[in-house]
Amino acid sequence: NAGVTQTPKFRVLKTGQSMTLLCAQDMNHEYMYWYRQDPGMGLRLIHYSVGEGTTAKGEVPDGYNVSRLKKQNFLLGLESAAPSQTSVYFCASSRERPGNRRTDTQYFGPGTRLTVL
Amino acid sequence: AQSVTQPDIHITVSEGASLELRCNYSYGATPYLFWYVQSPGQGLQLLLKYFSGDTLVQGIKGFEAEFKRSQSSFNLRKPSVHWSDAAEYFCAVGAMDSNYQLIWGAGTKLIIKP
Repeated sequence: NAGVTQTPKFRVLKTGQSMTLLCAQDMNHEYMYWYRQDPGMGLRLIHYSVGEGTTAKGEVPDGYNVSRLKKQNFLLGLESAAPSQTSVYFCASSRERPGNRRTDTQYFGPGTRLTVL
Repeated sequence: AQSVTQPDIHITVSEGASLELRCNYSYGATPYLFWYVQSPGQGLQLLLKYFSGDTLVQGIKGFEAEFKRSQSSFNLRKPSVHWSDAAEYFCAVGAMDSNYQLIWGAGTKLIIKP
């Protein structure tokens, strides 16, 4: 199993450009998440999905859109990139809903480092 | 609202010495708590988690953490660190009234002196 993979690993954008980050998991997990990680701030949840065809807003959703057309994929889009979106983006997945002792573990991808100039 | 505080941004420990990383949370009821580790250039990996029951939780790689309700703390410990433990450690809290979504601390970077 590859676990959680993210594409691309690095990207540099100019302000106003658009891009899509792809997250794929091969563990048949229902839940998927997109986080951003900024220095001194830990992880902040952007959007998440509780199953195929569903999406929901997290803590910092503005400027981002997501789609989950297939269970194994979760896409994060930036329609018009801004320098404030310079960050490391992590995708994660979990087997079932959070709060279940046995299954509440998030599995993370290696991250995408995005720089917006 | 919930919050998580990791008071130490960096900690430097000699190889073979003991380690304690601090985590304090703010939440009215009993949350459930996690420690994750991020090795350089990698994603995060779960070390251990607490939901209920025994307040001393054992995790992978020889780590343990103790939940202390009276101090709102969930500190991570290891009796003897190895150079491979150099990484960034994140504490996170989840709770029912936040739809179980995790709130993350800012992280503590562990540096190992040879």
